[in-house]
Amino acid sequence: GAGVSQTPSNKVTEKGKYVELRCDPISGHTALYWYRQSLGQGPEFLIYFQGTGAADDSGLPNDRFFAVRPEGSVSTLKIQRTERGDSAVYLCASSLRGSENIQYFGAGTRLSVL
Amino acid sequence: AQSVTQPDIHITVSEGASLELRCNYSYGATPYLFWYVQSPGQGLQLLLKYFSGDTLVQGIKGFEAEFKRSQSSFNLRKPSVHWSDAAEYFCAVANNAGNMLTFGGGTRLMVKP
Repeated sequence: GAGVSQTPSNKVTEKGKYVELRCDPISGHTALYWYRQSLGQGPEFLIYFQGTGAADDSGLPNDRFFAVRPEGSVSTLKIQRTERGDSAVYLCASSLRGSENIQYFGAGTRLSVL
Repeated sequence: AQSVTQPDIHITVSEGASLELRCNYSYGATPYLFWYVQSPGQGLQLLLKYFSGDTLVQGIKGFEAEFKRSQSSFNLRKPSVHWSDAAEYFCAVANNAGNMLTFGGGTRLMVKP
């Protein structure tokens, strides 16, 4: 079946602009996660959705970052007033609900802020 | 707070040689542990996981890992490396709700012909 799909695969923007990154999870997966991977580092947790609600947003770095999942499937990560330090690969993952969660990752969106 | 350390940033092995990638974790309870592999331009692919039970777990592509509670380690091994194994490998631990992964910094594996 189809895996986690992220669009766009690459996004180049200018400092101060607004960007949206989209994630389509695996069909039937109720949990969805966003991570950020900076160059040469491991992914860092940003936010976790269970259904439509953000169950844990403790990893969002500041209020310029926001994510939604209005119908419990597709999610959008929104970044306002982008800064050069926001340049990274943004990874999305999804999993079936349950305590023994296996997260399946998309290929990511590479964001470059010039 | 949980944390993961992968002491080796780069490792180079010859094709056909054995491989061990180190992972140490810090977590207050019984951990959920994972190894993922990332090839250039691709997402993270799960190699194997440990939740409970047998401390030696088998994964895909001939990989295995051993959970050692006394050493807080979860090292990844493969008896004979193939050129296609060249990639970046990440160890991760899940929180007790299983909904947040904390990753190590990764180990980049290069395979010499």
